[in-house]
Amino acid sequence: SAVISQKPSRDICQRGTSLTIQCQVDSQVTMMFWYRQQPGQSLTLIATANQGSEATYESGFVIDKFPISRPNLTFSTLTVSNMSPEDSSIYLCSVDRTAEQETQYFGPGTRLLVL
Amino acid sequence: GNSVTQMEGPVTLSEEAFLTINCTYTATGYPSLFWYVQYPGEGLQLLLKATKADDKGSNKGFEATYRKETTSFHLEKGSVQVSDSAVYFCALPRSYNTDKLIFGTGTRLQVFP
Repeated sequence: SAVISQKPSRDICQRGTSLTIQCQVDSQVTMMFWYRQQPGQSLTLIATANQGSEATYESGFVIDKFPISRPNLTFSTLTVSNMSPEDSSIYLCSVDRTAEQETQYFGPGTRLLVL
Repeated sequence: GNSVTQMEGPVTLSEEAFLTINCTYTATGYPSLFWYVQYPGEGLQLLLKATKADDKGSNKGFEATYRKETTSFHLEKGSVQVSDSAVYFCALPRSYNTDKLIFGTGTRLQVFP
């Protein structure tokens, strides 16, 4: 498995501001994923972040709104920009390990409330 | 691409009751199948997985068998506990040769003493 931490664990933000969420993994991983889980909903993939390349965004998500950094093999950040109440969600980072293809491990999530 | 359908909740049970949460899928080939669990206020944890047909994944008293004939991966537990109260997600890769997963809608399980 992998040990994944996220910061912050939760935050309350004002509309129009931005929040950067950090994801740290205890070992080097190739792929890191960012998901959004809106209240009472399932998970929706926002983007895939590979080290050394631009993140790949899913339909409905754009870089201007959700810029992602992946400076090394153990760390990534997701920024939620120009927030509105509709961005209130749990944001989850996950990784898959080369030795366990197709299996993803998740961080504890960041609970964001936008007022 | 692949798809997954999961029974809607909530599922409400008394302690020590038998649990089944249904999950069916459509897929190209025989991808790995997963159950994830989300306890209140927490992120997702991998509960169990099966990587090929007829495999049985098991963990913490939960079991699920990869059945290609019925394209199902139902989650079962013989005797649930209050501590099993959580949301359970069935998942599989969203297409052939990708690590990106798709998740079912989630089934909330509530166990009462």
